[in-house]
Amino acid sequence: NAGVMQNPRHLVRRRGQEARLRCSPMKGHSHVYWYRQLPEEGLKFMVYLQKENIIDESGMPKERFSAEFPKEGPSILRIQQVVRGDSAAYFCASSPSTGELLHFGNGTRLTVT
Amino acid sequence: GENVEQHPSTLSVQEGDSAVIKCTYSDSASNYFPWYKQELGKRPQLIIDIRSNVGEKKDQRIAVTLNKTAKHFSLHITETQPEDSAVYFCAVPAASGGGADGLTFGKGTHLIIQP
Repeated sequence: NAGVMQNPRHLVRRRGQEARLRCSPMKGHSHVYWYRQLPEEGLKFMVYLQKENIIDESGMPKERFSAEFPKEGPSILRIQQVVRGDSAAYFCASSPSTGELLHFGNGTRLTVT
Repeated sequence: GENVEQHPSTLSVQEGDSAVIKCTYSDSASNYFPWYKQELGKRPQLIIDIRSNVGEKKDQRIAVTLNKTAKHFSLHITETQPEDSAVYFCAVPAASGGGADGLTFGKGTHLIIQP
């Protein structure tokens, strides 16, 4: 089992560009969570998805951020018109059922220049 | 939503000594309490978890204790080693009674093991 796969590991974008972060959950896991981690800070919940459904997006900014988990393919976190404050590590986690036993990917470190 | 407080934010101990990190939570219906370890530049990894039907769980040098009445749980690391140096996060289910919305994390404790 390859674990939770995230790509890219590092992403550099200029202000105003779009960032796309991908996450493939562990085999057999149907629950995907995205978290943001700023330097020297904890993990902030952004969004929880199941296949083709957004279950809870209460932690995601209302503008510029969106997420999807299509029937086929990885979950995508999309940030439009990035700003410097979006620079952070974005971690994806998956679990087999409810919010327990979360397994994290290696994260995508987004740098906005 | 769930409120999680974690203390201390930084903990420095001599190699071989014990380390204790404590978390308090607000939702008395919470029933699942994991601890994650994150080494520098790496992903958080689950190291131990406990459910509300037990008061203590141990796995070699690490243990977690739970006090449901006081709504706090603690991570205990004995005989600390240099490889224990990392940031440790506690977490509780974000939603009452189940965690369907994932986990709410504490702000983390930076554990430093002094040689």
